Amino acid sequence: NAGVTQTPKFRILKIGQSMTLQCTQDMNHNYMYWYRQDPGMGLKLIYYSVGAGITDKGEVPNGYNVSRSTTEDFPLRLELAAPSQTSVYFCASRTGGHNSPLHFGNGTRLTVT
Amino acid sequence: DQQVKQNSPSLSVQEGRISILNCDYTNSMFDYFLWYKKYPAEGPTFLISISSIKDKNEDGRFTVFLNKSAKHLSLHIVPSQPGDSAVYFCAATGAGGTSYGKLTFGQGTILTVHP
Repeated sequence: NAGVTQTPKFRILKIGQSMTLQCTQDMNHNYMYWYRQDPGMGLKLIYYSVGAGITDKGEVPNGYNVSRSTTEDFPLRLELAAPSQTSVYFCASRTGGHNSPLHFGNGTRLTVT
Repeated sequence: DQQVKQNSPSLSVQEGRISILNCDYTNSMFDYFLWYKKYPAEGPTFLISISSIKDKNEDGRFTVFLNKSAKHLSLHIVPSQPGDSAVYFCAATGAGGTSYGKLTFGQGTILTVHP
């Protein structure tokens, strides 16, 4: 059981480039989330989804877009990369059960120079 | 506005002793609290949780205490083991269906357990 899989593990982007961070889960979870973690900071929520076709903004959505066309996949798109988006990005999923814990992927480390 | 705070960036303890990690929150709408553990180059993994209707929850060597009036929770690890060395995140979520499981995280505390 793979759980939550994120690709790529590492990426270096130039300012203004775009990329998509991939996230897929094989647990049939309805809820999926994207968080970013900056050094010395906690994880901050970028976007989340409560099911296929439904997405909503989190605390820090600016500069990002998401889509949820299937239950399994929740890609995060950066359109015009900026140095402020240098971070480690974590995707997570959970069942819809009340207070069920989040299951995280291993993260994508992104550097924008 | 940091709604969940872990004021100790790091903690160092001897193997076999107790580790106590602290967390404070400001949002009185939070009603469920979780601790996650994170090793380098891995994602956070769920450790233990507590509902606001309880003041203690225990799972093996891990115990979480909640003091609602002080808006404070703590994680106790007894006895501490070198494999417990990791970053520990406190997280909180609000009441009912409108929270959608969204978690607010603290900054994390780096625990080092020395053999």
